[in-house]
Parts: sequence; C-alpha cells; structure tokens
Amino acid sequence: SAVISQKPSRDICQRGTSLTIQCQVDSQVTMMFWYRQQPGQSLTLIATANQGSEATYESGFVIDKFPISRPNLTFSTLTVSNMSPEDSSIYLCSVEVWGGTEAFFGQGTRLTVV
Amino acid sequence: KQEVTQIPAALSVPEGENLVLNCSFTDSAIYNLQWFRQDPGKGLTSLLLIQSSQREQTSGRLNASLDKSSGRSTLYIAASQPGDSATYLCAVRPSVGNKLTFGGGTRVLVKP
Repeated sequence: SAVISQKPSRDICQRGTSLTIQCQVDSQVTMMFWYRQQPGQSLTLIATANQGSEATYESGFVIDKFPISRPNLTFSTLTVSNMSPEDSSIYLCSVEVWGGTEAFFGQGTRLTVV
Repeated sequence: KQEVTQIPAALSVPEGENLVLNCSFTDSAIYNLQWFRQDPGKGLTSLLLIQSSQREQTSGRLNASLDKSSGRSTLYIAASQPGDSATYLCAVRPSVGNKLTFGGGTRVLVKP
C-alpha cells in the first residue's frame, strides 16, 4: 500500500490567481496521476505525472492551465493556473506502487474559486 | 470506449439491512476492478480490488463479485451501519494500459 499526503486539503482562491497542490508519497511509486472531480460528478483524469519528463495530458486538459511536475519517485505537484469559478472542484492525487495495479488516493484538495 | 455505470445513483436503508451496489461496464477486456469509498469532500479509500481472473473478494462485512463476461460487479455490505454512509465508486482498469474508468458512484445513506 501507499500513504499519500496531499496539501492543501482545501483552499478558497480569487479568480485569476494560481494554486499549487502537492502530493507526497511515503514510498517510491511507479505511476502518479492527477484527477479532477467537479461538484456532483465522478472523477476525470487530468494527466499522468512522469518522473523527469513532461506529463501526459488527457483530452481537454493542457499544460498551460495545469502544469505538473514530478521531480522524483515520491513527489508531484499540480498547479491550477489563472483560475475561474469553473475550476472549483476536488483535485486528487493517485498512485500505483511497484509490482501492483491497485490505485491509492490522497485525501484530495477542495478548491473554491471566488 | 469503456463506459461504467452505477445504479442506483442514491440509496437509503435502515441500519442493519444489507446493501447491494451495482456496477456495470461495457468492455469486458479489463485487467481488474476496484471499489472505493468516498466521504463528502474527501479522497477515495480503496475497499476491494478484484482481478479479472477472480470471481469475488471479501474483506470483513464487504464482499464484491465480478462477472467479467456480462460486464457486472456487485458490492455487498452486510449489516449496514450509519458509518457506512458515503459514496461508493467502482473503477475498471483495462487489460492494456493503466487508465481507470470510473462509474458515477452510488450515494448511500444508512439511517439509525
């Protein structure tokens, strides 16, 4: 298994600003993912965070809006840039550990843009 | 394209009743299926992981079955408690690739 620490747990931000969300895992993991969950909706994959290289984005998500870093095997950040109220969502970090295919999730970051 | 559906979207039961949550998927070429619990405004907690070769998995009061050929999984929660109130999500992993496809979830309320 993996213990994931995601920060901040929640934030209220002004439109036009940016927020960086951190995801720290207690062990080295193979895969790290970022999801968005809009109010009342299920999860949508934003991107796969690749260690040492650019993230792989899903259709509808772009690097300028959601820049992602993954400098090592235990840490990743997601930035939500130039925020608007439509960005109000829960953002979730997910990982898979070495030799496994079970997905583990962080506690989520509840973002409200006003 | 894989589609995952969970019916019903919401469920309310009195304490002590057994819960039956359904998950269906359109493409049977899956590697595994995972059930999660989500409390309001929080992250996901993994409950059970069923590999495509398995028929069921059990953990305490939870039992999940998988019928890959018919594209169905069922999560049973025995003797429900108010603490079981949450949203339950299923997700499938394809046989090729690692992107999960999530269902819309079933919101459960267990009344004391």
